[in-house]
Amino acid sequence: AQRVTQPEKLLSVFKGAPVELKCNYSYSGSPELFWYVQYSRQRLQLLLRHISRESIKGFTADLNKGETSFHLKKPFAQEEDSAMYYCAPCSGAGSYQLTFGKGTKLSVIP
Amino acid sequence: NAGVTQTPKFQVLKTGQSMTLQCAQDMNHEYMSWYRQDPGMGLRLIHYSVGAGITDQGEVPNGYNVSRSTTEDFPLRLLSAAPSQTSVYFCASRRPLAGPYEQYFGPGTRLTVT
Repeated sequence: AQRVTQPEKLLSVFKGAPVELKCNYSYSGSPELFWYVQYSRQRLQLLLRHISRESIKGFTADLNKGETSFHLKKPFAQEEDSAMYYCAPCSGAGSYQLTFGKGTKLSVIP
Repeated sequence: NAGVTQTPKFQVLKTGQSMTLQCAQDMNHEYMSWYRQDPGMGLRLIHYSVGAGITDQGEVPNGYNVSRSTTEDFPLRLLSAAPSQTSVYFCASRRPLAGPYEQYFGPGTRLTVT
């Protein structure tokens, strides 16, 4: 069965500190990996996806196929990074369904 | 483009009542889906559609019906609301159909069933 684990429900860091939001997945085949973000009172939006290998708002994510992880990282947290973050693998075939993790709420302390 | 729109933004229902949550997109997206978001549960897929006239069940379909008569619209119907359906509902769309592409989300509908 497809499974996504985000072990931290809440992560609090001080402004300027490094951030790492963990994501582990158990997925058949070769999924594509996404991170979505939801800022307060806003809709979900794509933060980044592995296939693009891009850095958005200073965030990066490295896919480790051996550990089946796709952790989200940022070297220096900003207050505006406070939000809910969802890791979401996408099946690599068929209807390309997204499976969302339960999310991690990041709180950046000024 | 308005993107993905949802109505209403808020709704309170009594147990047993029925209602339809509306979702529309103006991006000519083939794929549309409905999710519910509950605290500590993340987003769970209710139903999805890969085109007009084609729908399928997701992870938590019980208590919900959908139809897709046009490319633009994908309404979600609650036939007999239950307190367990209290949640925030998000509609999303994606194009093209085949491939791991970005999904665009609506603003959500917050539903309370008393």
